[in-house]
Amino acid sequence: NAGVTQTPKFQVLKTGQSMTLQCAQDMNHNSMYWYRQDPGMGLRLIYYSASEGTTDKGEVPNGYNVSRLNKREFSLRLESAAPSQTSVYFCASSEYSPTGSYEQYFGPGTRLTVT
Amino acid sequence: GDSVTQMEGPVTLSEEAFLTINCTYTATGYPSLFWYVQYPGEGLQLLLKATKADDKGSNKGFEATYRKETTSFHLEKGSVQVSDSAVYFCALKVRVRNKLVFGAGTILRVKS
Repeated sequence: NAGVTQTPKFQVLKTGQSMTLQCAQDMNHNSMYWYRQDPGMGLRLIYYSASEGTTDKGEVPNGYNVSRLNKREFSLRLESAAPSQTSVYFCASSEYSPTGSYEQYFGPGTRLTVT
Repeated sequence: GDSVTQMEGPVTLSEEAFLTINCTYTATGYPSLFWYVQYPGEGLQLLLKATKADDKGSNKGFEATYRKETTSFHLEKGSVQVSDSAVYFCALKVRVRNKLVFGAGTILRVKS
């Protein structure tokens, strides 16, 4: 049981290049998320997917696109990378419980530098 | 909108000292509250949670009590260890939304 996995762990891009960050979970969770973490700003939600086939914008979606490929996988694409997208990216998954019993499980992160 | 405010760090303590990291929140309705911990080079892990007023979450010697009257969820530990050095995030989840709102995080450094 690997939990949430992310690839790659590190990436350096030049301004204008594109790339896709991959995320997969093996816990059969319906909901998946992409966050970025910047110093002093906590985690900010980029996009999320409440269930397979649906995606919604979070707090900071500009410059990103996502694909919920199936229940397991949720990818994040940068079409034209900018230095402002230098950050650590975390994928997470969760199972919704109407009673409030809820936990998000996080992957190990991808450290992206855009030069 | 919903928000979480944490005390700024870094917090530097000696081993066996008492720890408090303050967290207050603003939210509509009655949120669930969480503390997550991030060890160096890793993702976030749930440390503890509380789902209703006066609930106390506890784990690994850490505790936090959901105080509705002061909209707070302060994290405490009686005796910290060097291995507790990490970044601690307070977060809330509003009941009808399947999303977490995080505070900025507080860096804790424990010296031996």
